[in-house]
Amino acid sequence: GAGVSQTPSNKVTEKGKYVELRCDPISGHTALYWYRQSLGQGPEFLIYFQGTGAADDSGLPNDRFFAVRPEGSVSTLKIQRTERGDSAVYLCASSRGRTGELFFGEGSRLTVL
Amino acid sequence: ELKVEQNPLFLSMQEGKNYTIYCNYSTTSDRLYWYRQDPGKSLESLFVLLSNGAVKQEGRLMASLDTKARLSTLHITAAVHDLSATYFCAVDSNTGNQFYFGTGTSLTVIP
Repeated sequence: GAGVSQTPSNKVTEKGKYVELRCDPISGHTALYWYRQSLGQGPEFLIYFQGTGAADDSGLPNDRFFAVRPEGSVSTLKIQRTERGDSAVYLCASSRGRTGELFFGEGSRLTVL
Repeated sequence: ELKVEQNPLFLSMQEGKNYTIYCNYSTTSDRLYWYRQDPGKSLESLFVLLSNGAVKQEGRLMASLDTKARLSTLHITAAVHDLSATYFCAVDSNTGNQFYFGTGTSLTVIP
């Protein structure tokens, strides 16, 4: 597709459940970022991929969060044992290179009850 | 950690007026970006500023960067209702691995 695609657009889950959020970046973009945005806040960095490897995962809040990008294209953000505080919009962005502007997807809104 | 501050956080302005949004950041960076976000939508890239003194203009918006002062401005000229949105600045870390976003400026343009 022409833009960054994220699925699901909305996810409601119960506390303690496991969740996967998927991101399909713009074709040819080597850099992929995950951000989290809470209401009224700016996006908060989670993890950055350059190709297949996680070049920087310093923004992941704890070990319940994990992300993969096995073939250097689609990425999945995985959240184990979800907590109510994980509720937010999870944004994926891709870029042509390390210093290029970011192109964001529409986000996945996660609600943990 | 690089910190990015925007002010004002909220801005209500009348159509036809001019105003400036400020973005300050805490450590050296030569790259700054402005994004727009409409309610319930994702972020749309507006400007990419890649050097000291860079100035970019698009329609009623003009962005500038002063890396020595660690300051970027987004100037709005003769505001119209369609400009109502939240505007974020973001600074590239020196490693290029992270973009640090400000808290955003929520702009409302009233007739």
